[in-house]
Amino acid sequence: DAGVIQSPRHEVTEMGQEVTLRCKPISGHDYLFWYRQTMMRGLELLIYFNNNVPIDDSGMPEDRFSAKMPNASFSTLKIQPSEPRDSAVYFCASSSRRGGGFTEAFFGQGTRLTVV
Amino acid sequence: AQTVTQSQPEMSVQEAETVTLSCTYDTSESDYYLFWYKQPPSRQMILVIRQEAYKQQNATENRFSVNFQKAAKSFSLKISDSQLGDAAMYFCAYRSYAGNQFYFGTGTSLTVIP
Repeated sequence: DAGVIQSPRHEVTEMGQEVTLRCKPISGHDYLFWYRQTMMRGLELLIYFNNNVPIDDSGMPEDRFSAKMPNASFSTLKIQPSEPRDSAVYFCASSSRRGGGFTEAFFGQGTRLTVV
Repeated sequence: AQTVTQSQPEMSVQEAETVTLSCTYDTSESDYYLFWYKQPPSRQMILVIRQEAYKQQNATENRFSVNFQKAAKSFSLKISDSQLGDAAMYFCAYRSYAGNQFYFGTGTSLTVIP
C-alpha cells in the first residue's frame, strides 16, 4: 500500500486566497483525521471522519476552514480566505478497526502551508 | 477529554547510551491504546511502538521498549543503544478502545550526541 498520500507537499499563497489541501487515505481505513501542527500549539486535531461522515469538527478554528470527504478515498481541507496565522504543517491520517480494536494512525507526509 | 502530558520538552543522550522519555495520561477508561510516534526533521510521523492497556507485558520493538504502569497512568519510552538516527521529536498518544480520536502529547525533542 502507498500509505496516506497528501498533496501538495508545500503551498505558498497570498493572504486572502483560497487554499485546498488534499488527502487520500489508506484503502480500507474508515477513519480519517486532519491535524495542524505549529511550534506554539503542537498537534491539533481539526476534524475527523468515520465512514466519510464528519464526527467531530470542534477543532476547526473558524468558519474559514471547511473539510469534506465525498468518498472513502478522498478528503479535502479548504481555507477561504487564508490568513498568515494559518501557516502551519497540515497532516492527514487514517486508521481502521482491526480485530475489534483500533489500529494506530497512519500519517501522510504533511502539507507545509505558508500564507504571506 | 483525555489528556496526555510529556513533561520533558527536550532531552539529550550520548550515542550508544540509554534514554527514557516520560509520558503520563489522564483517563477514566479501562481499555485503551497507547502509542509512541517519532517525527524526524523530514516531518513524517512514524509509529515507534504501541501498547494495549489490557496487556500486562510491556511492548518491545528492537531497541525500543516501554514501561507501562496502568495504575500510575504512566507510559515511558526507553531507547537503548541510541543512534544518531534516533534524533527526532517523540510524541506520546492515547486512543480509547471504543473511542475514535487520538490525543497527543506536546512532544519531546531528543538530541543524540556523537
